[in-house]
Amino acid sequence: NAGVTQTPKFQVLKTGQSMTLQCAQDMNHEYMSWYRQDPGMGLRLIHYSVGAGITDQGEVPNGYNVSRSTTEDFPLRLLSAAPSQTSVYFCASSYSKGAGLEQYFGPGTRLTVT
Amino acid sequence: GNSVTQMEGPVTLSEEAFLTINCTYTATGYPSLFWYVQYPGEGLQLLLKATKADDKGSNKGFEATYRKETTSFHLEKGSVQVSDSAVYFCALYSSASKIIFGSGTRLSIRP
Repeated sequence: NAGVTQTPKFQVLKTGQSMTLQCAQDMNHEYMSWYRQDPGMGLRLIHYSVGAGITDQGEVPNGYNVSRSTTEDFPLRLLSAAPSQTSVYFCASSYSKGAGLEQYFGPGTRLTVT
Repeated sequence: GNSVTQMEGPVTLSEEAFLTINCTYTATGYPSLFWYVQYPGEGLQLLLKATKADDKGSNKGFEATYRKETTSFHLEKGSVQVSDSAVYFCALYSSASKIIFGSGTRLSIRP
């Protein structure tokens, strides 16, 4: 199993550009989520999905879109990048969103918006 | 709303020292509690968890006990190693708030 994979590892964007961060998992997990990690703030939930075709907003959804057309893939789209979106982005998955279930994290994408 | 507060770092210790990283939480109901670890350049990995009061989670020599009376889930290890250098995150999950992470504590171990 490759686990949770993310591409790219690093990305630099100019303000106003758009891009898609890719996330895929091969563990047949129903639950997938996107977080951003900022210094001194831990991880904050952006969007999550409880299964193909179902997505919902997390704590900080503004400026980001998601879709879940397959169980395996959960891309995160930045429609018009802003410097405030400079961060490290992590995708995670688990069997469900139930209590006590382990989340598996990808290696992260470091995004800089200039 | 629910929240997690953990001690600020960085924490620097010598090898074989005793480690405590404090974590307290605010939550309604009965959340599940977790410690995740992030090694340099990697994503987070689950270190241990506890799903009800008085449960003790343990892994790789680390332990934490779910204390409902003090709303705490402190991480401890009796003898740290250089390889334990990482960032440690306390987290809670409830059906109302989903998963909430603390701000992380950076741990550095000197040989």
